[in-house]
Amino acid sequence: KQEVTQIPAALSVPEGENLVLNCSFTDSAIYNLQWFRQDPGKGLTSLLLIQSSQREQTSGRLNASLDKSSGRSTLYIAASQPGDSATYLCAVNTGNQFYFGTGTSLTVIP
Amino acid sequence: GAVVSQHPSWVICKSGTSVKIECRSLDFQATTMFWYRQFPKQSLMLMATSNEGSKATYEQGVEKDKFLINHASLTLSTLTVTSAHPEDSSFYICSASGTGRTDTQYFGPGTRLTVL
Repeated sequence: KQEVTQIPAALSVPEGENLVLNCSFTDSAIYNLQWFRQDPGKGLTSLLLIQSSQREQTSGRLNASLDKSSGRSTLYIAASQPGDSATYLCAVNTGNQFYFGTGTSLTVIP
Repeated sequence: GAVVSQHPSWVICKSGTSVKIECRSLDFQATTMFWYRQFPKQSLMLMATSNEGSKATYEQGVEKDKFLINHASLTLSTLTVTSAHPEDSSFYICSASGTGRTDTQYFGPGTRLTVL
């Protein structure tokens, strides 16, 4: 069974810092991997989608990488801002089911 | 941990029929449930947010008359795709958060809908 782990569980950084969030999964047979942002009481907002054949995706200050063979993905956030404070989730899609990580709670201190 | 189930896990139907998908929180009371869908090779996107006992809030571009959401109890929400067409074929997933768990969403395994 696929297991998705996110490290760290919580992260606090001063504004302006670059940071990396990690996501690992146990089964490399994935269809795609997505990174989401979750604000308290709100639904998920999709940030980046990486297909299994891709190595990375970029959107603005965000860059996500995927290494299927090692079962890892990273989300890089450049020049962090207080508005980036949220919980970040990664999710692996095997084609039949989603497996979500437990999330990293990010706080960016002004 | 909290468990959310969906039924059915997959369904195939003819164009023009309606399909109901159930989302249940098995061991906690879900005051809020979210419905998402994912078209092939696209991101999982939020469709609507439903709070128990009140009308669902739909995201822009989602037709509320086509995707009927009922959250009549604290453990059950249903999504009905009315007059389904092939373009509605998608993967539908729900999540739930509830009493004492307002910042944590628990996800169902998803339902794959194929409309012929």
